[in-house]
Amino acid sequence: KAGVTQTPRYLIKTRGQQVTLSCSPISGHRSVSWYQQTPGQGLQFLFEYFSETQRNKGNFPGRFSGRQFSNSRSEMNVSTLELGDSALYLCASSPPGRDRVIGEQFFGPGTRLTVL
Amino acid sequence: KNQVEQSPQSLIILEGKNCTLQCNYTVSPFSNLRWYKQDTGRGPVSLTIMTFSENTKSNGRYTATLDADTKQSSLHITASQLSDSASYICVVSQFFSGGYNKLIFGAGTRLAVHP
Repeated sequence: KAGVTQTPRYLIKTRGQQVTLSCSPISGHRSVSWYQQTPGQGLQFLFEYFSETQRNKGNFPGRFSGRQFSNSRSEMNVSTLELGDSALYLCASSPPGRDRVIGEQFFGPGTRLTVL
Repeated sequence: KNQVEQSPQSLIILEGKNCTLQCNYTVSPFSNLRWYKQDTGRGPVSLTIMTFSENTKSNGRYTATLDADTKQSSLHITASQLSDSASYICVVSQFFSGGYNKLIFGAGTRLAVHP
């Protein structure tokens, strides 16, 4: 079974631009979560999508948005990029059933975003 | 305030030695605790997951312990290898009615294993 895939793996943008990151969950997983990881802050929760609906949201400004499609693939968008948005953006998917209750998550390799 | 604190921040050990990483949490309600290993530039990979009724769980050379009374967990690595060099992240999960989990992440311990 293929793991969580994220594209692109690396991205360089300039301040003020916008960016869209993509995540394909493991087949059969309907929940997708997004995280921002920086050296100083560790992993910070952005939002979670389940069946095309945002179910949970972290404390990030409205410049960060996301969506989920009917095939469970998810995209994350950041508008008006700032230098501080440079980070590793991780996507994780969760399986249904008992694992969903436990909250098991499988992470993708991440997208390294650099804002210049 | 729900928090997960890990110590030490970083650790250097020689190949073949053992080490123990600590995780203290103040999270309520508590559902489970997980340890992840994250190689540089990669996504975290789950090592162990424990509910409040489990006090130890092993995965190869990795052994995690949980004391739900003192809200402490440890990850013990036996006979370390160079490939153990990574960040180890402690994550505590809260389960809420409605069927979703909220995860509280520790800042991680960066382990370097030297030959």
